[in-house]
Amino acid sequence: QKEVEQNSGPLSVPEGAIASLNCTYSDRGSQSFFWYRQYSGKSPELIMFIYSNGDKEDGRFTAQLNKASQYVSLLIRDSQPSDSATYLCAVNMFVGDDKIIFGKGTRLHILP
Amino acid sequence: DAGVIQSPRHEVTEMGQEVTLRCKPISGHDYLFWYRQTMMRGLELLIYFNNNVPIDDSGMPEDRFSAKMPNASFSTLKIQPSEPRDSAVYFCASSLINRAYSGNTIYFGEGSWLTVV
Repeated sequence: QKEVEQNSGPLSVPEGAIASLNCTYSDRGSQSFFWYRQYSGKSPELIMFIYSNGDKEDGRFTAQLNKASQYVSLLIRDSQPSDSATYLCAVNMFVGDDKIIFGKGTRLHILP
Repeated sequence: DAGVIQSPRHEVTEMGQEVTLRCKPISGHDYLFWYRQTMMRGLELLIYFNNNVPIDDSGMPEDRFSAKMPNASFSTLKIQPSEPRDSAVYFCASSLINRAYSGNTIYFGEGSWLTVV
């Protein structure tokens, strides 16, 4: 059973601090990894993707990938109240199988 | 460009009735996905198509669910007969795979909120 695991939260972080969201996946052959943000009552929207080990930065967001340990994380610097949402980790399991499996998401609450 | 378009946005129906959800993917995208989201189970992949051909329907919960993609710009998800446990948000999503990084970035529609009473 291919799985993507996330802590459901809620994760409460003070405004201006760094929010750290984590995700683990079961299939060692997984190829690419995505972070989506979903506001209540809305559809998921892509924040960023990563497919190489290491860090990838985009504005206040940094994705980190460690394939050996099978985890991917998302750091949000200078957290803002508008970052309060559910963050979904998604995994493209392996080349040739193009389906994307999602974790259940972590609820993030930024405290003003 | 228009995004993924779904209809209806909201539907309330009685148990036993047929429900049809519709989706227009982003023009040029060659993959189409149907997901279902509930609080308990999160976002579950039901079925996906590549170039209008169903590739994997292992997530379809039972025979009451069926999906079709008659052409590149239209897909339907049908539930017949509907049951209260089918109440969920159904998302359609589409993508254009990028073989350069083996990635498959998908874009979601706004969802169809289904309530079966």
